[in-house]
Amino acid sequence: KQEVTQIPAALSVPEGENLVLNCSFTDSAIYNLQWFRQDPGKGLTSLLLIQSSQREQTSGRLNASLDKSSGRSTLYIAASQPGDSATYLCAAQPGTGANNLFFGTGTRLTVIP
Amino acid sequence: DAGVIQSPRHEVTEMGQEVTLRCKPISGHNSLFWYRQTMMRGLELLIYFNNNVPIDDSGMPEDRFSAKMPNASFSTLKIQPSEPRDSAVYFCASSKTSGDTEAFFGQGTRLTVV
Repeated sequence: KQEVTQIPAALSVPEGENLVLNCSFTDSAIYNLQWFRQDPGKGLTSLLLIQSSQREQTSGRLNASLDKSSGRSTLYIAASQPGDSATYLCAAQPGTGANNLFFGTGTRLTVIP
Repeated sequence: DAGVIQSPRHEVTEMGQEVTLRCKPISGHNSLFWYRQTMMRGLELLIYFNNNVPIDDSGMPEDRFSAKMPNASFSTLKIQPSEPRDSAVYFCASSKTSGDTEAFFGQGTRLTVV
């Protein structure tokens, strides 16, 4: 069974700082990897999806990379803002034809004004 | 599109009562997922459907839980009888089955069983 781990569990940074969130997965045979944001009491918002054939995806200040061979993905947030404060979750879709997602436990980010 | 729509947003019920959660997926998506989120266990897949057919229900905790998808635009998750340990946030998500399988989530139903 795919195991997804996110480190650190919590991160606090001053506004304007660039930061990296880490995600690792045990089974490298994935179809894609997706990053989500969750605000307290809310649902999950999709941020970026990286197909297994891709190395990275970018959206605004966000850049996600994928290294299947090492079982790692990173989410880079440039010039962080207080509005970026949320929990960030990564999820791996298996490459077996199943299209469910295996989630990490998330990184809770706080950006201090 | 309005996104994935779940109802109710909040549900408080007494132990032993039946609870029904509802989900409308995004139009054109043919995969639908039910997840449960708790502090202790994070996000867990309960069941998912492809083209209205249950594919994997191995995450359904026990026989008290059942899910149906009678058509492409509606699904229910039922708990009967409910127990306090079922208290959690239940999310529905949808995606396409192949190609771009980006998943989109509803706002969730916060269930409290007292």
